[in-house]
Amino acid sequence: DTGVSQNPRHKITKRGQNVTFRCDPISEHNRLYWYRQTLGQGPEFLTYFQNEAQLEKSRLLSDRFSAERPKGSFSTLEIQRTEQGDSAMYLCASSRLTSSGNTIYFGEGSWLTVV
Amino acid sequence: KQEVTQIPAALSVPEGENLVLNCSFTDSAIYNLQWFRQDPGKGLTSLLLIQSSQREQTSGRLNASLDKSSGRSTLYIAASQPGDSATYLCAVRDAGNMLTFGGGTRLMVKP
Repeated sequence: DTGVSQNPRHKITKRGQNVTFRCDPISEHNRLYWYRQTLGQGPEFLTYFQNEAQLEKSRLLSDRFSAERPKGSFSTLEIQRTEQGDSAMYLCASSRLTSSGNTIYFGEGSWLTVV
Repeated sequence: KQEVTQIPAALSVPEGENLVLNCSFTDSAIYNLQWFRQDPGKGLTSLLLIQSSQREQTSGRLNASLDKSSGRSTLYIAASQPGDSATYLCAVRDAGNMLTFGGGTRLMVKP
């Protein structure tokens, strides 16, 4: 396994601009998750995909946020009209159900700073 | 709504000490519990996964226990080393697919 890959690792953007993050999960992992983490806090769930279907969305995922996983492989998270409160680390994770359980593996995260 | 609390929020110990990190959760109807390590500015590394039917899991110097009925888990680190310095996060998964995280324990192991 090459691990969960996220790009870009860092993004600085002006308020009001749109940003897009990409996540490549571990191959053969059919489950993909997005979380958001601010300094000093634990990650908060945003959304979950099983294959290409988006099955769960948090109330944190406002109308300005959209996530896709068009072919059930990589995923994108787009934030439109960014606000300073969107500054955080956006974490992607993936998993698959095995006899040992459903261990979730996280990527290195994408840092967003909105100025 | 599930709430996860980790105590202490920060811990500083000399090298070689055995230590215990605590995690409590309010809703005992969990599917599993997972402990993670996070280094500054980095993503999360999975340490141990305990299924709801299990009582404990071990990996090297780490041992995690789960008491679902009381809503508690502990992570035991034996013979701590400076390289263990990091933030340790516990997360519980309910019947859905969402992990609910605690705020983490920031551990500093001094040489």
